[in-house]
Amino acid sequence: EAGVTQFPSHSVIEKGQTVTLRCDPISGHDNLYWYRRVMGKEIKFLLHFVKESKQDESGMPNNRFLAERTGGTYSTLKVQPAELEDSGVYFCASSQELLSYNEQFFGPGTRLTVL
Amino acid sequence: AQSVTQLGSHVSVSEGALVLLRCNYSSSVPPYLFWYVQYPNQGLQLLLKYTSAATLVKGINGFEAEFKKSETSFHLTKPSAHMSDAAEYFCAVTPRGTGKLIFGQGTTLQVKP
Repeated sequence: EAGVTQFPSHSVIEKGQTVTLRCDPISGHDNLYWYRRVMGKEIKFLLHFVKESKQDESGMPNNRFLAERTGGTYSTLKVQPAELEDSGVYFCASSQELLSYNEQFFGPGTRLTVL
Repeated sequence: AQSVTQLGSHVSVSEGALVLLRCNYSSSVPPYLFWYVQYPNQGLQLLLKYTSAATLVKGINGFEAEFKKSETSFHLTKPSAHMSDAAEYFCAVTPRGTGKLIFGQGTTLQVKP
């Protein structure tokens, strides 16, 4: 089966511009997570969807970040306007059931550079 | 708040030597614990997980980890390192009742020939 895919793999934008990241989870996985790793720091949780609903968005840094998951399939994460500190690698993960010990399957990440 | 600490951002071992990557967690209630590995240009892949069934957990590629409640540790070991083990390793916890992973800072393992 296909794994979690993310697009684009790299994005370089200027401060103030808008960027949209996309994640396609494994088919049939209701749970979708976004994480971010800023250079030199740990991977941090951003938010969690169950189907199309936001289950937990406690990790979203501010209102410049907007995540959607229309129809409960793929998800997008929009940053508008982008700031320098938004640079990092954005990971998406999915899992089949909402169980705390369930394995999350990760995509390869999108490397975002804000100049 | 729960947290995870990985001692050593970089660990270097010789091929064939023991691999030991350290992880300590802070939690009032034993959480679920995971080790993930990231190879270059790939996503994170689950190595093993602790879900309270057994304190010694065996994972893929010959790795294992032991949960020690008294030490709040979940160190990852492999008896004999292989060149293909070179990667970044992440320890993580999931607080019970949630789905989000809380990661340590990551440890890059270098394997020398």
